Amino acid sequence: NAGVMQNPRHLVRRRGQEARLRCSPMKGHSHVYWYRQLPEEGLKFMVYLQKENIIDESGMPKERFSAEFPKEGPSILRIQQVVRGDSAAYFCASSLGQMNTEAFFGQGTRLTVV
Amino acid sequence: ILNVEQSPQSLHVQEGDSTNFTCSFPSSNFYALHWYRWETAKSPEALFVMTLNGDEKKKGRISATLNTKEGYSYLYIKGSQPEDSATYLCAFYQGGSEKLVFGKGTKLTVNP
Repeated sequence: NAGVMQNPRHLVRRRGQEARLRCSPMKGHSHVYWYRQLPEEGLKFMVYLQKENIIDESGMPKERFSAEFPKEGPSILRIQQVVRGDSAAYFCASSLGQMNTEAFFGQGTRLTVV
Repeated sequence: ILNVEQSPQSLHVQEGDSTNFTCSFPSSNFYALHWYRWETAKSPEALFVMTLNGDEKKKGRISATLNTKEGYSYLYIKGSQPEDSATYLCAFYQGGSEKLVFGKGTKLTVNP
């Protein structure tokens, strides 16, 4: 049973380009969470999704950022027109249900904007 | 704004020492408290999920306690080993919110 898979592990984008980060949750998990880790910061919540639904996107910037978790396929975090401040590690976690059960994390995607 | 505070930020101990760190969280609408262990270059791994006031959980040399009324949890490591070196994160899930909010972690270094 594969764990949470994130790809790519490293992504370099020029300012103004788009970044697409993918997360395949553990088999059977229908809850996905995205977190961002900035240098010297902890894990900051961005968005919580269930299949085909955004449940809470309160941690995600209103502009340029979007997330989806389609019926089939991985969850995608999309950042349009990237800026240097978007450089960070982005982690995805999945769980069976609401957070009275443990979350399983992927290894993260490190985005560098040059 | 949910605030989860962890202390200390970092800790250096000698092999064999026992140690503990603190996680503070809002005491209202408690739902669950998680502890994770995060080694460098790896992904966070769950240690405990605690839901009941007074709960105590143990995994090997690591244990945790929970006080939901006063809003804190302690993580204890008995007889620290170099392989315990990692960042220990706690995360709080409040009823009515839909997110797991993390503290900044306690970075533990165990010197041989």
